[in-house]
Order: sequence, then C-alpha cells, then structure tokens
Amino acid sequence: DTGVSQNPRHKITKRGQNVTFRCDPISEHNRLYWYRQTLGQGPEFLTYFQNEAQLEKSRLLSDRFSAERPKGSFSTLEIQRTEQGDSAMYLCASSSRDNVNEKLFFGSGTQLSVL
Amino acid sequence: QKEVEQDPGPLSVPEGAIVSLNCTYSNSAFQYFMWYRQYSRKGPELLMYTYSSGNKEDGRFTAQVDKSSKYISLFIRDSQPSDSATYLCAMSAPDTGRRALTFGSGTRLQVQP
Repeated sequence: DTGVSQNPRHKITKRGQNVTFRCDPISEHNRLYWYRQTLGQGPEFLTYFQNEAQLEKSRLLSDRFSAERPKGSFSTLEIQRTEQGDSAMYLCASSSRDNVNEKLFFGSGTQLSVL
Repeated sequence: QKEVEQDPGPLSVPEGAIVSLNCTYSNSAFQYFMWYRQYSRKGPELLMYTYSSGNKEDGRFTAQVDKSSKYISLFIRDSQPSDSATYLCAMSAPDTGRRALTFGSGTRLQVQP
C-alpha cells in the first residue's frame, strides 16, 4: 500500500488549453474524492465517486470540468479551456466502504498553474 | 459567512508549549469532526476525528467538540518543531446525504526550537 498517488505533481499550461490529472487511490478503497485548494484556503469539495458511479458534484464543478472513474479504480479529472482562476492544487482522496466517518486519505496533489 | 471559520494565524510558539487550535461552525447538521495536518506542498494528513460532542486523546493530541456552542478544538502538548504545519479542521454531515467534508481555511503553526 503506497497511499494515494497523483500525477503529475505540477502542471503549467497556457490559458485555453486542456489539462488532465490522474489519481490512483489506495487499492481497497471504493470511494474517491476530488478537492481543490487555493493558497491560504482549505480544500473545497469538487466531486465524489463510489466505485465507478459519480454520486455527488459541487456547484464549483463547472461544465469545463469532467471527472471519470471508468473501472472503479483510478480516476481522471479534465479541465477544458483552462482559465487563470483554475490555478490551484487539485487533491484526490480515497476512503473505504466501511468508513462511515469519512477518514479520507489524501494524495500530495497536482499543482496547476495557468498562465 | 463561511460554514466553518478558522483563524488563519500564523501562530508562533516556543518548543514545549501547549498549543490550542479552534474552529467554529454554523451548520448544526455536522456530526463528524476531524483535524488534518498539512505540510507545505503536501496533501492533508488525518490527525484526529471525533463523533458528536466529547473529547478524544491520542498521544500529545486532544480533540474536543462542543456541539452546543458549535466549537471544536485541538490541543497539542509538548509541541515540537516538527509540528510546524497548517492545521485544518473539517466536518461532515453524512446523514444529510452529503459525503463531502467541509474544511476550515487552516491555521499555520510555527514551533520555534
């Protein structure tokens, strides 16, 4: 068990480009979350999967954002037509099915900079 | 007004001091309360969690929840320079159907050797 893995660690892109991030959760965890964190703020919830089903989405998740978890294992988060306001740390977290109290285990995040 | 309020600090203390970190919240539906520690350029790491009101102790860390006052605290005894990090409180209300955690903005702690 190597924990939650996120790639890439850093991404620099130009405004208007598309970017995709990947998250590999802890292997036995069936729940996967995406959060976004800006400097000086706590993480803000974006979306949540249980297995391959996307069960909850935040109003923060505009139509330029899409997340998938096709086989209930790894997940991808894509941002289309990036804007400077998308610059943030994108965090992935996972938890297990027996975890009613939401003990989330976070990855180290992908730091996105939109120029 | 944010659902969860947390003083951003920074809080600077000498090594060995007792540290008190606090959050207030407005949503009475919150049932689970957590404290995460986040080092620079890392993801948050779960330190403590409690359900409803009461105290929980784990080593040098004690978490307190007072639901009547909508106030939670984390105490760190015998603070060490390695405790220097940002501390985030987080809360959830799964009985409302929402699994998302709501985080405070974090308090930056610096423990001086």
